[in-house]
Amino acid sequence: NAGVTQTPKFRVLKTGQSMTLLCAQDMNHEYMYWYRQDPGMGLRLIHYSVGEGTTAKGEVPDGYNVSRLKKQNFLLGLESAAPSQTSVYFCASSYRWGYTFGSGTRLTVV
Amino acid sequence: AQTVTQSQPEMSVQEAETVTLSCTYDTSESDYYLFWYKQPPSRQMILVIRQEAYKQQNATENRFSVNFQKAAKSFSLKISDSQLGDAAMYFCASTFPQGGSEKLVFGKGTKLTVNP
Repeated sequence: NAGVTQTPKFRVLKTGQSMTLLCAQDMNHEYMYWYRQDPGMGLRLIHYSVGEGTTAKGEVPDGYNVSRLKKQNFLLGLESAAPSQTSVYFCASSYRWGYTFGSGTRLTVV
Repeated sequence: AQTVTQSQPEMSVQEAETVTLSCTYDTSESDYYLFWYKQPPSRQMILVIRQEAYKQQNATENRFSVNFQKAAKSFSLKISDSQLGDAAMYFCASTFPQGGSEKLVFGKGTKLTVNP
């Protein structure tokens, strides 16, 4: 049972480049979330999904897009990366207030 | 406002001693969940303890216990017999309803140092 798997674990992007972060869960959870973690800021919600085919905005959605075409996968996209998007990104899934987190992706935009 | 506040950016404790980390939250809901997560340098988010707001009894997990004061909207974490392995960032979090789901809102964290 892998839980929540995030790929890649590390990435360096140039300003203006695009990329997609993949989150996969094997627990059949309906709810999935993308957070970013910055020093001194805790984790802030970017986007979330309450089921396959649904997405919604969180606290800091600007500059990001998401898709949930399959129940087990939740993709986070950066269309044109900016240095302000340098962060650690966490994916999570949940069922009845039991949250499982991935191990994070460290993204650096130069 | 849906906020979780941790007023102690850093705390330190001597090995084998007890330390308390503070957390307050702001919600208008009557039913919600509160969490403490531990994040070691590995970045992994590890659930320490969970409290259901409708339960008056404070949750405990071995050396970890909470002091849940619902009226004061306070949720502090007590670590007894501190161990070197307890050194980490600790995040308090609360659920808030949003769009048919429950979102988890985090505080900014407290960095705990354990001195030998």
